[in-house]
Amino acid sequence: QVQLQESGPGLVKPSQTLSLTCVVSGGAISSDSDYWSWIRQAAGKGLEWIGRIYISGTTNYNPSLKSRVTISVDTSKNQFSLMLSSVTAADTAMYYCARGTGYKNFEDWGQGTLVTVSS
Amino acid sequence: DVQMTQYPSSLSASVGDRVTITCRASQNIASYLNWYQQKPGKAPKFLIFGASNLQGGVPSKFSGSGSGTDFTLTISSLQPEDFALYYCQQSYSTPLTFGGGTKVEIK
Repeated sequence: QVQLQESGPGLVKPSQTLSLTCVVSGGAISSDSDYWSWIRQAAGKGLEWIGRIYISGTTNYNPSLKSRVTISVDTSKNQFSLMLSSVTAADTAMYYCARGTGYKNFEDWGQGTLVTVSS
Repeated sequence: DVQMTQYPSSLSASVGDRVTITCRASQNIASYLNWYQQKPGKAPKFLIFGASNLQGGVPSKFSGSGSGTDFTLTISSLQPEDFALYYCQQSYSTPLTFGGGTKVEIK
């Protein structure tokens, strides 16, 4: 089973860019059948899909965040990354990375990393 | 966007009870419906895909049904480890969207 581990700053200042990385172990990120997603969850709230990337480089983003989101992949490091620009307090959340295949959109999950936006 | 509505938002049940959670999509999504379980402080766990297919390793006490716009998740005999939050999610189209969640609590 694939394991995923998120990492990045736990505190980001308003208007700055949030940057997170998800390291994949136990399997190759370069699998043609898989894709890699970011999902977030504000405290006490539901789950919000941010976007995903295929190994081809094709990305899909949530339109609600599209203007601020970039997801990229680094096959040499077996990891993928999230950048979210111009953050506000509303972006404070637990951020999860996940692996999907076909219609199993979020089959494996990382443990999550809490990001707080505050000055 | 496909809106997903779950109900109830919370329910209280006893060990051994049969529990049913409902999820409704704002448009026809055929069987492109997944279910997840989330325990406090943990990432969600993938339970069911394609509305009714159990993910490997998930106990058979969990079952899913439905197609089109109406779906259900049933837990046949609730056990202490099943008290958690449950989310549905549509895999029909992007943006991928989740229901608001159903909290299953101990009565």
